[in-house]
Amino acid sequence: EVQLLESGGGLVQPGGSLRLSCAASGFTISSYAMNWVRQAPGKGLEWVSAISDSGGSTYYADSVKGRFTISRDSSKSTLSLQMNSLRDEDTAMYYCARAVGSGWSKSDYWGQGTLVTVSS
Amino acid sequence: QSALTQPASVSGSPGQSITISCTGTSSDVGGYKYVSWYQQHPGKAPKLMIYDVSIRPSGVSNRFSGSKSGNTASLTISGLQAEDEADYYCSSYTSSANVVFGGGTQLTVL
Repeated sequence: EVQLLESGGGLVQPGGSLRLSCAASGFTISSYAMNWVRQAPGKGLEWVSAISDSGGSTYYADSVKGRFTISRDSSKSTLSLQMNSLRDEDTAMYYCARAVGSGWSKSDYWGQGTLVTVSS
Repeated sequence: QSALTQPASVSGSPGQSITISCTGTSSDVGGYKYVSWYQQHPGKAPKLMIYDVSIRPSGVSNRFSGSKSGNTASLTISGLQAEDEADYYCSSYTSSANVVFGGGTQLTVL
């Protein structure tokens, strides 16, 4: 059974950093592209970042480019999102998701999310 | 990248069919086959209902179907059921190697 479990969320001050992790089980993480998608409280979905199945390519939304870094540790079946220079508008539930089919832009399995709150 | 345009809300009675539209541009919806639809119930993670315009993942009811014409994609739900009441989001790959979501549509089953 495919499972994704996010962790690492919490309360952080503006300008601070946080590292999110997503533990994958039930599939080989190195065989799939992976995505991070976020949802601000009461708002819609926003794609954040993706990493290709090979791990050789990464993609970022303009809103996080230069501040967030996506990475993968295949030996630990873990996807990570390093978030620096956090802003109030980064407050959201962060979901990791496994890509399906050709490309990486759609996701068939999602975790339950981890909440990030940026506030002073 | 601007969000794709979806109606804020749609409604229908049990057994009826409804269609949710998703309008983008030639740089996203119109330019690629990578349009997806997600269902999200309150407090839950999104669930993939349609990908690559019209492909249904295993386990998704055949009451859900997708299509695209030009820069507009559509999700149709036939034989509406109470459990279909949820928020629905479209998404598309873009020419900037990004993914853009629609603003979401709240479906009410009357």
